[in-house]
This record gives sequence, structure tokens and C-alpha cells, in this order.
Amino acid sequence: DIQMTQSPSSVSASVGDRVTITCRASQGISSWLAWYQQKPGKAPKLLIYAASSLQNGVPSRFSGRGSGTDFTLTISSLQPEDFATYYCQQANSFPYTFGRGTKLEIK
Amino acid sequence: EVQLVESGGDLVKPGGSLRLSCAASGFTFSTYNMNWVRQAPGKGLEWVSSISTNSSYIYYADSVKGRFTISRDNAKNSLYLQMNSLRAEDTAVYYCARSADDNFDSWGQGTLVTVSS
Repeated sequence: DIQMTQSPSSVSASVGDRVTITCRASQGISSWLAWYQQKPGKAPKLLIYAASSLQNGVPSRFSGRGSGTDFTLTISSLQPEDFATYYCQQANSFPYTFGRGTKLEIK
Repeated sequence: EVQLVESGGDLVKPGGSLRLSCAASGFTFSTYNMNWVRQAPGKGLEWVSSISTNSSYIYYADSVKGRFTISRDNAKNSLYLQMNSLRAEDTAVYYCARSADDNFDSWGQGTLVTVSS
């Protein structure tokens, strides 16, 4: 199985800050990577697919980069509604696997 | 508007069975692969199972293989998860999710399954 390692597990930041979350796959997954945002008590929401493609309706302050084993999600200027938990997920092969999540908290 | 509505979650004893349903609307259900993803209380996301459009291809996580069965009824726009031999570690919110290029682009609100004596 492909293991997905996310870092950091949590981060504190302020409105307006730039934040980057990293996800590393245990083997190459080309660009088969997605990022999700989840708020407490809610279902996850797809933000980024194919490593760098923005899902319809997602603000342009979110961006994704990477290929192979190393990927990043960047939020260019944090807004109050961005404080949530973020997960990466590999879609290269079954079993699909998620990272353990990064909780983005208000400083 | 895409809608996925799960139902069937409940409190069940270890060793018991439960059948989850997911009613889909707002899109052509028969043209999308579908999935179940779960989340234990306070934990991360875990993919459970996937089914192709015509049920030809089915996949399971090792943690549920042999105990859970995914199925779909395209005529009823519905996805199902039959869960047998339930264990305490199966306690979770179960989400129905639509696949788009192997990503989960739409999710239901989830249904809670609690396995406890």
C-alpha cells in the first residue's frame, strides 16, 4: 500500500498569512494526488485534484504543486473560513490512502 | 445540484450486521464510479470500498474485505454497503462519495455507525 505522510500535523497561523502543507508518498504516484478541506462536523470538500488543478468554485488562493512523491498545498493569504483540517489522498492505485491530516488553527 | 444522502447508521452489537444506503440525485448516477469512505471519531479519513459504474469492478480495504459488500442499483440511483461481522473498530461516520478521475468530488453528510455492546 502507498503511505501518505503529511506535515505538519498542525499549524497555527494568522489571517493573511501564507501557509504551505506538505504531503509525501511512499512511492511515485505521478500527479494522482488530491487535497481536501474538512471543517468540524462536515463532510470533506475537494480543493485540488491531479496535484495542481483547482476544483470548480474553490478560491484561487489555494494552489497545489508537485509530482512523483512530493506535493504541497499552499494557501496564499489565509481567510477566516480557511481554518480547518486538510487531507491529501493518493488516487494512483487501490487501496486509496489519505494522509493523517493537518489541522490549521488560528494563532 | 449533486446530492448524496446516506442512511442506515445505527448502534449495533459486535458481530452484528447493518446495511447503509446512499440516495443520489442531481447527476447521472449510472455514469459515475462510487465509494464509501469512513472516519472514526476524532480520526482521519479511511477509504473503505469502490464500485464501478456497472459493478464490474469492486475494491475493498483490507480492513473490511470479507465482511463488507458494496453494491449499487442504477435504476434506483442508490449505493449500498452491507456490513457483517461488525467490530468496535468499525465505529465511524460513513460517507458516500462520488468519483471523478479517482478523486472524491462530491460527498454526502455521512451516517454514524456505532459498534458497542
